[in-house]
Amino acid sequence: DGGITQSPKYLFRKEGQNVTLSCEQNLNHDAMYWYRQDPGQGLRLIYYSQIVNDFQKGDIAEGYSVSREKKESFPLTVTSAQKNPTAFYLCASSMMTVANYGYTFGSGTRLTVV
Amino acid sequence: GQQVMQIPQYQHVQEGEDFTTYCNSSTTLSNIQWYKQRPGGHPVFLIQLVKSGEVKKQKRLTFQFGEAKKNSSLHITATQTTDVGTYFCAGPKGGSYIPTFGRGTSLIVHP
Repeated sequence: DGGITQSPKYLFRKEGQNVTLSCEQNLNHDAMYWYRQDPGQGLRLIYYSQIVNDFQKGDIAEGYSVSREKKESFPLTVTSAQKNPTAFYLCASSMMTVANYGYTFGSGTRLTVV
Repeated sequence: GQQVMQIPQYQHVQEGEDFTTYCNSSTTLSNIQWYKQRPGGHPVFLIQLVKSGEVKKQKRLTFQFGEAKKNSSLHITATQTTDVGTYFCAGPKGGSYIPTFGRGTSLIVHP
């Protein structure tokens, strides 16, 4: 079945550590996205990529980094520069022309700073 | 910048009552999308509206896009416990296809 796989489901980070969240899709979608969700908040865009080897900052990119070396993969690194990283992170993908298909989301990674 | 405002933030209903959530934008939207997120889950795409004044139905759910394409609503008739979750609207930022999400309306259905 086609879809998006995020791992791990839960992740604990110590102060000062960098952690990388995995996102893999087999939908053959060109565009991929990372969102952050905090309780009672909507989804805020961190980074997005429309094509391999290219990505753009979203609304809250500070303290995060990404890479897009393969069409299927769009990992997110939460660096130690991100001062409040505890949140629910969602990866999504879409066709470039969203049309009637919208975004397909992965099941998310819950990151907690300990 | 463009914001997509969604009200109410929470809505408690008795099972069988109707429910409506509203989405308002400060600028004209080329389209609007609606998503549902079950508790502990991830957002799932429900529908996209494109045309001014468009109305679409999915069983008990009715989606409307305003004539000015600045507002939208989702109405659920005769809610069921399976309708529990947070409903998000999302509209693209000016000149971009990437949607900005509202904060969502959390629906709580009491049996």
